[in-house]
Amino acid sequence: DAGVTQSPTHLIKTRGQQVTLRCSPKSGHDTVSWYQQALGQGPQFIFQYYEEEERQRGNFPDRFSGHQYPNYSSELNVNALLLGDSALYLCASSWGGINTEAFFGQGTRLTVV
Amino acid sequence: AQSVTQLDSQVPVFEEAPVELRCNYSSSVSVYLFWYVQYPNQGLQLLLKYLSGSTLVKGINGFEAEFNKSQTSFHLRKPSVHISDTAEYFCAVTNSGGYQKVTFGTGTKLQVIP
Repeated sequence: DAGVTQSPTHLIKTRGQQVTLRCSPKSGHDTVSWYQQALGQGPQFIFQYYEEEERQRGNFPDRFSGHQYPNYSSELNVNALLLGDSALYLCASSWGGINTEAFFGQGTRLTVV
Repeated sequence: AQSVTQLDSQVPVFEEAPVELRCNYSSSVSVYLFWYVQYPNQGLQLLLKYLSGSTLVKGINGFEAEFNKSQTSFHLRKPSVHISDTAEYFCAVTNSGGYQKVTFGTGTKLQVIP
């Protein structure tokens, strides 16, 4: 049983560019949450997708957007990248829109130069 | 709004010694509480969780935590640590019911000294 898979594992982008990160949830899970973890910090909640809709959103600007597909996989898009967007982006999956037990992927390390 | 405070950013401890990692939370409603572990260059792994019932929660790898509502604390303990426990530990909170976002603390780096 594959766990949560994220792609790519690493990428480097230039300021002002756009980036798309991808996440496949654990088998049987239908809810995907995205987190940003800056160096030396705890994960910060970006948003959650359930039933293909954004159900909750953290304190992130509109440059951060997402999508969930019918197979429950999800994308995180970030436009107009800033140096401060450099971080580890974590995807977590769970079931039924509930956060009682979330499984995390390995993350995507984004570096903005 | 909820918040989590992990007062100790780093905790060095000798191998086979006991350890306690402290976590305090703030919330105006009932909560669920979690401890996650993160090894270098990896995602987070759930160690244990408190949803309801017994306030003493046992998790994987010999860890346990006690929910103290009056102290708004959820400290993580292990009676004897191993080198392999060296990692960063995050305490997290969400509203009971689990339908709200999860808020994480800033983490505690546990360094086990041989």
